[in-house]
Amino acid sequence: DAGVTQSPTHLIKTRGQQVTLRCSPKSGHDTVSWYQQALGQGPQFIFQYYEEEERQRGNFPDRFSGHQFPNYSSELNVNALLLGDSALYLCASSRGRFYEQYFGPGTRLTVT
Amino acid sequence: AQTVTQSQPEMSVQEAETVTLSCTYDTSESDYYLFWYKQPPSRQMILVIRQEAYKQQNATENRFSVNFQKAAKSFSLKISDSQLGDAAMYFCAYRRAEIQGAQKLVFGQGTRLTINP
Repeated sequence: DAGVTQSPTHLIKTRGQQVTLRCSPKSGHDTVSWYQQALGQGPQFIFQYYEEEERQRGNFPDRFSGHQFPNYSSELNVNALLLGDSALYLCASSRGRFYEQYFGPGTRLTVT
Repeated sequence: AQTVTQSQPEMSVQEAETVTLSCTYDTSESDYYLFWYKQPPSRQMILVIRQEAYKQQNATENRFSVNFQKAAKSFSLKISDSQLGDAAMYFCAYRRAEIQGAQKLVFGQGTRLTINP
């Protein structure tokens, strides 16, 4: 039973560029949440997708957007990258919006 | 808004001994869940233990147990018989229990636990 997978593992981008991160949920899960974890900090909630819709959003600008596909996988897009966007981006999946969240290994994004 | 505070940036313990990590939280909700997650250097966030606020009994998972004090809004994690594999960042997290709305996790800043052989 595959757990939550994320790609790529590492990514280096330049300021002003755009990036897309991908997440495949654990088998049987239909809800995906995205978190940003800056170095030395706890994860911060970005948004959650359920039934292909954004259900709730954290305190992140519109440069952060997402999508959920019919197979429940999800993408996180960040436009006009800033140095401050450098972080570990974690994806978590759950079976429905109210059950335990299982995390993927994360994507380390570095913006130079 | 709910907040979670971990006041111990770093802790260390001798192998086989017991260590307690502290966590306090602030909420106006009466029903919620609390969690401890472990994040080793591999970065994967692993659920260690969870506690439902409506349950008075403290949760236990093998060597891991919690001391949940609802009135004090305190939720500490005790690790008994510490092992080298327990070395990691530990995060305390809160989640509302309401049916409506997305159930985001609110995390503390983390405590780095070192195990000395």
